[in-house]
Amino acid sequence: GQNIDQPTEMTATEGAIVQINCTYQTSGFNGLFWYQQHAGEAPTFLSYNVLDGLEEKGRFSSFLSRSKGYSYLLLKELQMKDSASYLCAVRGSNDYKLSFGAGTTVTVRA
Amino acid sequence: GAGVSQSPSNKVTEKGKDVELRCDPISGHTALYWYRQSLGQGLEFLIYFQGNSAPDKSGLPSDRFSAERTGGSVSTLTIQRTQQEDSAVYLCASSIQGSGANVLTFGAGSRLTVL
Repeated sequence: GQNIDQPTEMTATEGAIVQINCTYQTSGFNGLFWYQQHAGEAPTFLSYNVLDGLEEKGRFSSFLSRSKGYSYLLLKELQMKDSASYLCAVRGSNDYKLSFGAGTTVTVRA
Repeated sequence: GAGVSQSPSNKVTEKGKDVELRCDPISGHTALYWYRQSLGQGLEFLIYFQGNSAPDKSGLPSDRFSAERTGGSVSTLTIQRTQQEDSAVYLCASSIQGSGANVLTFGAGSRLTVL
């Protein structure tokens, strides 16, 4: 089975940086995904890590350490529109479906 | 279509009634997934379709839940004799199987409320 943990809520100020941690224990590993979900909307794909290290995509970066079962999503230069839920998801080896954490609600304040 | 389309967007029903939720995946996507999202919970996997292969139904919570995918495209999730604990947002996703990262693209979901 899969066990994926991330904080429930985080609050940050506009223009600041926030780091959302995700730890996982899975039967095998074949990729870690981050999705963003605004209230009442579809989750949208942000990033994918399958090898150790940092993937940077504009204001968002995602890091993976497979040996530690750990990832983080880094949001820089926060904007009000970044207020959303951020979902960490893992694909096990020889698998196709994603297992999701409960999500981290990020609130950006002026 | 341009994205994954789900209908209805909202459904309120009485306990004991049957409901059908529809998903139109992205054209050309061979894989289709159903997930359930309850308040404060992570997305819970329900069922997976890939081409003509037998579906993976391992996530369906009870035999009141079933799903079909006709012609490798549109899918319908059916919940019979609904219970209050079935209240949730039902999300559909599709992907191009075997495409490296195999990123799932989600629809906006169908919010089901069982009174």
